[in-house]
Amino acid sequence: AQSVTQLDSQVPVFEEAPVELRCNYSSSVSVYLFWYVQYPNQGLQLLLKYLSGSTLVKGINGFEAEFNKSQTSFHLRKPSVHISDTAEYFCAVSDAGTASKLTFGTGTRLQVTL
Amino acid sequence: DAGVIQSPRHEVTEMGQEVTLRCKPISGHNSLFWYRQTMMRGLELLIYFNNNVPIDDSGMPEDRFSAKMPNASFSTLKIQPSEPRDSAVYFCASTRGYEQYFGPGTRLTVT
Repeated sequence: AQSVTQLDSQVPVFEEAPVELRCNYSSSVSVYLFWYVQYPNQGLQLLLKYLSGSTLVKGINGFEAEFNKSQTSFHLRKPSVHISDTAEYFCAVSDAGTASKLTFGTGTRLQVTL
Repeated sequence: DAGVIQSPRHEVTEMGQEVTLRCKPISGHNSLFWYRQTMMRGLELLIYFNNNVPIDDSGMPEDRFSAKMPNASFSTLKIQPSEPRDSAVYFCASTRGYEQYFGPGTRLTVT
């Protein structure tokens, strides 16, 4: 069985500041990793994914994440945030053998202010 | 592409009534997932289908919940009878590979 831990339930940050949202996972098998974003009253939208290859993955809206197998982490970063980045961010993991089924973390609320 | 379509977007019903939520996945996608999202429990996978066949329904909370996928373009999630604790946002998602595409959700309120 897999699990995902997002330690920070809320992250407040000022506009144009950098941000890191933390994600750690637990799995006994090879995994695929994902970050999704949910804007208010909307469904989840894929930000980026790691399947294989380079451990630094770039996604939409200027976000990137780094897969660290030894630390079982997949932290999300953005060098300069905008007000429009205010949303809920979910880290998710799937078994590389049964790729479709995702296990989600509890989410991190990113609040960007002026 | 219209994306994943869910209906209704909002549903308010009284305890004990039957509720049916509907989902139309993206054409060509072969897997479909039903999720429930609440403040207390976060995002929970209820059931998923692969090629219209239920693969894992271990997340269905109890017998009051049932889901069907009669064909590749339609799925339903039914709650009978509904209870106040079923109030949540229910999402449907479809995929052809690794990326799940989510619908806008149905906000269910049971009074």
